[in-house]
Amino acid sequence: SAVISQKPSRDICQRGTSLTIQCQVDSQVTMMFWYRQQPGQSLTLIATANQGSEATYESGFVIDKFPISRPNLTFSTLTVSNMSPEDSSIYLCAHSRPGRPDTQYFGPGTRLTVL
Amino acid sequence: TQLLEQSPQFLSIQEGENLTVYCNSSSVFSSLQWYRQEPGEGPVLLVTVVTGGEVKKLKRLTFQFGDARKDSSLHITAAQPGDTGLYLCAGALLGSARQLTFGSGTQLTVLP
Repeated sequence: SAVISQKPSRDICQRGTSLTIQCQVDSQVTMMFWYRQQPGQSLTLIATANQGSEATYESGFVIDKFPISRPNLTFSTLTVSNMSPEDSSIYLCAHSRPGRPDTQYFGPGTRLTVL
Repeated sequence: TQLLEQSPQFLSIQEGENLTVYCNSSSVFSSLQWYRQEPGEGPVLLVTVVTGGEVKKLKRLTFQFGDARKDSSLHITAAQPGDTGLYLCAGALLGSARQLTFGSGTQLTVLP
């Protein structure tokens, strides 16, 4: 599977600011995914990002709060906008194998703390 | 309510013991995956099962997919401290293979 890296690995931010998380894959992939996870808990899908089309958001997540870019087949960004302490979480990106969107591979995650 | 329920939620055992983690749902899945996640890392894929009744072995780990494709189990034989981590099952609902639904997770601690 392709190797995924995320930046930053962690950050501490002030309420009301925005943070952009970068996800880089070392080979071209069609589908990329963004998840949120509270430490030690399950993952919740935020959105699916395909190159050349708008991201598809899951219920409870909106583009104004979590804008996503997917400029090419190896890169995506997720922005957490106008942050509040409730946005403190681990944010993970993932990609899937060609033809197997159900088999996903994850980056190391970005641990975000909002004060 | 969680679509995929895992049990137990927490498990602490001694090195050398055996254990089983369960992943149950009332929904049918086209495939089911098991992941292990260590602190500060993303989940790492252990196995994918796709056929009802399928059994896969990965060294000391045995994975089983239920006949009706609604449940799965992970059995670890002779657990080692290196097995410590958060175990997550995830399934692709029948007819919605583009999206994974994750289980509630099982935090396993293996004491030396």
